[in-house]
Amino acid sequence: DAGVIQSPRHEVTEMGQEVTLRCKPISGHNSLFWYRQTMMRGLELLIYFNNNVPIDDSGMPEDRFSAKMPNASFSTLKIQPSEPRDSAVYFCASDSGFRNTIYFGEGSWLTVV
Amino acid sequence: AQSVTQPDIHITVSEGASLELRCNYSYGATPYLFWYVQSPGQGLQLLLKYFSGDTLVQGIKGFEAEFKRSQSSFNLRKPSVHWSDAAEYFCAVGLTGNQFYFGTGTSLTVIP
Repeated sequence: DAGVIQSPRHEVTEMGQEVTLRCKPISGHNSLFWYRQTMMRGLELLIYFNNNVPIDDSGMPEDRFSAKMPNASFSTLKIQPSEPRDSAVYFCASDSGFRNTIYFGEGSWLTVV
Repeated sequence: AQSVTQPDIHITVSEGASLELRCNYSYGATPYLFWYVQSPGQGLQLLLKYFSGDTLVQGIKGFEAEFKRSQSSFNLRKPSVHWSDAAEYFCAVGLTGNQFYFGTGTSLTVIP
């Protein structure tokens, strides 16, 4: 079975550029999560969707970050403009809603120079 | 306050030795409990989970974990560690309403 699919796996971009990270959740899962992982702050929940609707975006660091889920099989996390402090690994995860088990993608390694 | 605590930031064990990684949580009710493993450059992979019933749960790669309600703990164990087990291990708690809380992780080094 296909797991959570994220793209790109790695991205290096210059400060000020727009970055778009993509995620395809596991088919049939109705919840989707975006996490950010850094050495300093560990794993942070940025936002999660349930049935394509954003439920909790309190973890989104600032207005430069936005996330969308136009349908059940696709989500994006956008950073505009990007800054060096946004360098991190961004994970997408999905959950079927049954007994709350979430499954992670392989992550998108973002470096902003 | 709700929290998941992994008191050991880093553990080093010899290959073939036994392993126990600690996890404590503080919530009012018994939550769903998970252990994930993250190998370098990889995502988090589910090792095992506890929802109810038998308090000793078996997972993949020879890992097991025991839920102890009286201690609010869910420690991960493996009787004999392999070099390939070197990774970061995360304990997590799931509550109703898609709330998940992760510990800060324990980094495992395996010495040949």
